Amino acid sequence: DADVTQTPRNRITKTGKRIMLECSQTKGHDRMYWYRQDPGLGLRLIYYSFDVKDINKGEISDGYSVSRQAQAKFSLSLESAIPNQTALYFCATSDGSLGVQETQYFGPGTRLLVL
Amino acid sequence: AQSVTQPDIHITVSEGASLELRCNYSYGATPYLFWYVQSPGQGLQLLLKYFSGDTLVQGIKGFEAEFKRSQSSFNLRKPSVHWSDAAEYFCAVEAGANNLFFGTGTRLTVIP
Repeated sequence: DADVTQTPRNRITKTGKRIMLECSQTKGHDRMYWYRQDPGLGLRLIYYSFDVKDINKGEISDGYSVSRQAQAKFSLSLESAIPNQTALYFCATSDGSLGVQETQYFGPGTRLLVL
Repeated sequence: AQSVTQPDIHITVSEGASLELRCNYSYGATPYLFWYVQSPGQGLQLLLKYFSGDTLVQGIKGFEAEFKRSQSSFNLRKPSVHWSDAAEYFCAVEAGANNLFFGTGTRLTVIP
């Protein structure tokens, strides 16, 4: 079984709809991250969480919100989706015990299309 | 501010040929550098990382990378490319607090 899972894997929604992307991990890691990937732009950090009580904005947090329901679960919400949020979204985790120099482990991605 | 530049958007090599993917970074402090690979329809997989010590680091799948502080570079190399290496490759720098900044990626095509 995959260590980092994302649901759904693909989603089509309409402008103005609320949508939630979910991420679960079985690695026992404290830190979790949400990125979006756009062609030609690489990956950009949306939000990250260092533990259940810690949420931080990343480079491009506008239009998004997150919830860390448990150590193993980190959800990304689009309150009112817009077409330029069409992208590939990745969840990632890292251990957190080293503070820095840690490897991030990525989920398989969720492809979102906003019409 | 931190940034990562991958100047080659797309590279095509013949199977068996050598490969070098370029990565230049900008970061004021000691850089922690990573190379990830993304196969079609897949997530990102770590190839290798540099934190300190030997500037030539070995990774999985026969890849290696060399950190050159004077050139602010961390180029990825492989002596003989296999068809299964066709993928997109991302260089990243950790800019504190375990936050990664990624380059825009280099897509590798391998021709028989």
